[in-house]
Amino acid sequence: DTGVSQDPRHKITKRGQNVTFRCDPISEHNRLYWYRQTLGQGPEFLTYFQNEAQLEKSRLLSDRFSAERPKGSFSTLEIQRTEQGDSAMYLCASSLLAGGVGDEQYFGPGTRLTVT
Amino acid sequence: AQSVAQPEDQVNVAEGNPLTVKCTYSVSGNPYLFWYVQYPNRGLQFLLKYITGDNLVKGSYGFEAEFNKSQTSFHLKKPSALVSDSALYFCAVRDLSGGSYIPTFGRGTSLIVHP
Repeated sequence: DTGVSQDPRHKITKRGQNVTFRCDPISEHNRLYWYRQTLGQGPEFLTYFQNEAQLEKSRLLSDRFSAERPKGSFSTLEIQRTEQGDSAMYLCASSLLAGGVGDEQYFGPGTRLTVT
Repeated sequence: AQSVAQPEDQVNVAEGNPLTVKCTYSVSGNPYLFWYVQYPNRGLQFLLKYITGDNLVKGSYGFEAEFNKSQTSFHLKKPSALVSDSALYFCAVRDLSGGSYIPTFGRGTSLIVHP
């Protein structure tokens, strides 16, 4: 399977714990996006990378959220000191941007986070 | 600022009938528009996009969308609906001016195709 993969698919954690999610994009894609999706809403942009550079992080929901893409391949999204309001589906997507166009995104299956 | 609206939470259509899922957008510059579909327990899948050119864009699974600049709309259409088209559909927009590559998604429209 050469699609976008995310791990884990489900995560249940207690309030106050830290969690980390992993995303493996399509190998030739240079852009990687993280979104949050709650019930009845569309994906909400969090951050994105071009290769290893994080180009936009102001939309991360708080300073408890951080993301990395250390070698321009897989990425991790970490939430520290989780709160019940962090419960949501976290989506990763990748795209190949060439010449300013393209950029249709290919999404992974998501990681569903439940904070108890 | 950019935004997108999907005015219908749910669209019901009988199998074999044409379907339309509505989307309107707002951008400062020129829009780059997308439709995605989400099947139950699956990730979002790209259906089609519009950046420039012909206002009627054809995509996957027999879907098409019509770009209307004066009405700032990008409605998704299919001539003959299938039960298997039942899913959640998302419209997204990106403003081509300003150099931002951040898309804004609508809230989604649930399409239900009845046998």
